Amino acid sequence: EVQLVESGGGLIQPGGSLRLSCAASGFTVSYNYMSWVRQAPGKGLEWVSLIYPGGSTYYADSVKGRFTISRDNSKNTLYLQMNSLRAEDTAVYYCARLFYGGNHREYDYWGQGTLVTVSS
Amino acid sequence: DIQMTQSPSSLSASVGDRVTITCQASQDINNYLNWYQQKPGKAPKLLIYDASNLETGVPSRFSGSGSGTDFTFTISSLQPEDIATYYCQQYDNLPITFGQGTRLEIK
Repeated sequence: EVQLVESGGGLIQPGGSLRLSCAASGFTVSYNYMSWVRQAPGKGLEWVSLIYPGGSTYYADSVKGRFTISRDNSKNTLYLQMNSLRAEDTAVYYCARLFYGGNHREYDYWGQGTLVTVSS
Repeated sequence: DIQMTQSPSSLSASVGDRVTITCQASQDINNYLNWYQQKPGKAPKLLIYDASNLETGVPSRFSGSGSGTDFTFTISSLQPEDIATYYCQQYDNLPITFGQGTRLEIK
């Protein structure tokens, strides 16, 4: 059974750092396209970052230079290192697998989300 | 960036009604369009991929259509458990972008 379990969220002061983890089971993270998607309280979904199987990484302009997506193949875990956090980064952060099936791509598995609150 | 414009932003309908949500892309996205359902406090769930393909296990009352820039999501007969917010999402180009969501309520 495929499962994604996020952890690492919490309350952090503006300017601080936090690392989110997403432990995967039922598939191999390094063989897949993996993403972070966030949702501010009462708002819609916002794509944050994507890592390819080959290791290429991509970021939304709103987090570029502050966030880093990575993975640990030995732990089958995806990470999001978040630095220089701002109040507008407050959101539930979801990890999700972006399944590549021929000529279509979709987020087929999602974690339960972890809440990050940036506030003094 | 490709902008995804969903309408309406909210919708109230009765059980058994046919419900339609539209999503318009700011440029041609080659049918690379997915639809998700999100219930309060839960992660999004994939319903439709590649504009019109029903994800495995999703009830057949859900359907999608469209091409190019204009897409439609339909629930043929609304059920109480369909109360949720629905999002379209494109993946033709990075950044991946979502519509702003349609909140569906029971009348």
